[in-house]
Amino acid sequence: DSGVTQTPKHLITATGQRVTLRCSPRSGDLSVYWYQQSLDQGLQFLIQYYNGEERAKGNILERFSAQQFPDLHSELNLSSLELGDSALYFCASSPRGGGYEQYFGPGTRLTVT
Amino acid sequence: AQKITQTQPGMFVQEKEAVTLDCTYDTSDQSYGLFWYKQPSSGEMIFLIYQGSYDEQNATEGRYSLNFQKARKSANLVISASQLGDSAMYFCAMRDLLAAGNKLTFGGGTRVLVKP
Repeated sequence: DSGVTQTPKHLITATGQRVTLRCSPRSGDLSVYWYQQSLDQGLQFLIQYYNGEERAKGNILERFSAQQFPDLHSELNLSSLELGDSALYFCASSPRGGGYEQYFGPGTRLTVT
Repeated sequence: AQKITQTQPGMFVQEKEAVTLDCTYDTSDQSYGLFWYKQPSSGEMIFLIYQGSYDEQNATEGRYSLNFQKARKSANLVISASQLGDSAMYFCAMRDLLAAGNKLTFGGGTRVLVKP
């Protein structure tokens, strides 16, 4: 158990809908990262937050947005969902002030039908 | 831009034998980190080992060691004394240590199946 929690574990929804994925980082970690793992694109970085501020952005679609709250949990919002958005979405966190590794949560498997 | 290449899509290894997973990378970054993660069939991503580009010694963590050859831009993972529980996908990743963000760039992965 990495200490990173993600809810829900599975999500099935229809095209055009909007969903919210939630992540709680390890205790004390200030950075939160979101990654998408799909069969055709592999594992891709989406976005990073550090202590509530956006720190880095990857290939995140405009239909997707994220935020990190004062209690450091993060939410990834996916809207106008398409079939191609079906993927495993990971949240990760990294230690404050040193340590380079990122600890991943169990992921949320999103299926868009 | 960073790129990670894992040329072995899948491989079999006999239990108790060692296996080497290949990883080559391409980057113009001066200071970077290399990582290996394991993804079992249950789906979670498990951090295995880290190597910094300026580390003089190869990293080791238990049965995992990283064979880092900077001039060849390779960072191969060696798993010694394979166990059935080592059957999983393995991903090589890298990160620019000087960038403002800490994003990881991943390779395509290698699937390892340990045979009893």
